[in-house]
Amino acid sequence: GAVVSQHPSWVICKSGTSVKIECRSLDFQATTMFWYRQFPKQSLMLMATSNEGSKATYEQGVEKDKFLINHASLTLSTLTVTSAHPEDSSFYICSAILPPLADTQYFGPGTRLTVL
Amino acid sequence: SQQGEEDPQALSIQEGENATMNCSYKTSINNLQWYRQNSGRGLVHLILIRSNEREKHSGRLRVTLDTSKKSSSLLITASRAADTASYFCATDSSPGTALIFGKGTTLSVSS
Repeated sequence: GAVVSQHPSWVICKSGTSVKIECRSLDFQATTMFWYRQFPKQSLMLMATSNEGSKATYEQGVEKDKFLINHASLTLSTLTVTSAHPEDSSFYICSAILPPLADTQYFGPGTRLTVL
Repeated sequence: SQQGEEDPQALSIQEGENATMNCSYKTSINNLQWYRQNSGRGLVHLILIRSNEREKHSGRLRVTLDTSKKSSSLLITASRAADTASYFCATDSSPGTALIFGKGTTLSVSS
């Protein structure tokens, strides 16, 4: 089956630093990837839709200048949390669509971000 | 944004019992899916039911969908301790769009 990886699986950083999270589709090309955020004991919330070769579409309330998304290739999307603060501590999960079976989304294992 | 609610928020049962979780959503959907998440881990896809389907089975799982009531239920039969996890429903409005997740049900199965 299709596999999506994320790197790193966890990261601890100091407040004010930037952190980059990678999402890769390992055995298929994904024209569309999604980024979700999950706070402790809560559900997943969509942050943005990432389309290869174009600007990401952000959900209301998600700061595009703080959460930079780049989808430079059909197998890689990156999320950079700029000037991270403790309130950005969360579980970040990406997913990718396997075309042409667009009903199926494949989720990465997630990245646990802790900002001190 | 979140699509809807799951109930109950938390469910505690004994091994061997059945567990039923419900999910309601607000807008029209393409598909509805159920996922499981163990504490601190990623999502495991359980089952997908299309908007034109009413019931689907997979092993010990049974999912129903009532589009007129905008609701779905997930039944886990003969539960096991390993079924302890959070369960989320998720919907999409059309193929290729993002999933909108419900708030989830935390299931605890004790042996």
